[in-house]
Amino acid sequence: DIVLTQSPATLSLSPGDRATLSCRASQSVTKSFLSWFQQKPGQPPRLLIYGASSRATGTPDRFSGSESGTDFTLTISRLEPEDFAVYYCHQYGTIPFTFGGGTKVEI
Amino acid sequence: QVQLLQSGAEVKKPGASVMLSCTASEYTFNTYYFHWVRQAPGQGLEWMGMISPSGGTGYAPKFRARVTMTRDTSTTTVYMELNSLTVEDTAVYYCARALGDLWGQGALVTVSS
Repeated sequence: DIVLTQSPATLSLSPGDRATLSCRASQSVTKSFLSWFQQKPGQPPRLLIYGASSRATGTPDRFSGSESGTDFTLTISRLEPEDFAVYYCHQYGTIPFTFGGGTKVEI
Repeated sequence: QVQLLQSGAEVKKPGASVMLSCTASEYTFNTYYFHWVRQAPGQGLEWMGMISPSGGTGYAPKFRARVTMTRDTSTTTVYMELNSLTVEDTAVYYCARALGDLWGQGALVTVSS
């Protein structure tokens, strides 16, 4: 299985700050099939990024994704109050698909 | 507006089975893969498996022996049955379309004696 390790587990920031979230894969992710989800309490996840760097419909442009080998990064350029949530990376290139453990972005 | 509507919460005893449903409100149902993902209380997301438009399935090894996913094109519904439940199966179960651009509202399954 491809293990996705997210860091840090918690990121304490303020509105207006830049957030950098990391996701490291234990092996190559097929065709950059990696996505990022945002989840708020009591809600299902929301797709932000797919294909490592493509924004999903409705994703604000302050969210960006990048890739360097087996390292993937989600960057939020300027945090808005609604961005405080848990973020998960997810690889869908190799079965079994897997999720990272999540990064909580808190105030 | 396209939605995925899941069946309601379930309470089961250890050893029992549960079947959850997920109904898509769209005629393009037949062109999409659907996935099942679960989330134990206070924990992260766990991918369980998927079903293709033709009904082919792929399961996570952890669940392969006791999960079955099916789909009914006439009712645009996908199903997930999980057998031999234990208390560790207590979780919110989500269905999701394709890349995860659309999710159901989730169904809480509680396993307790």
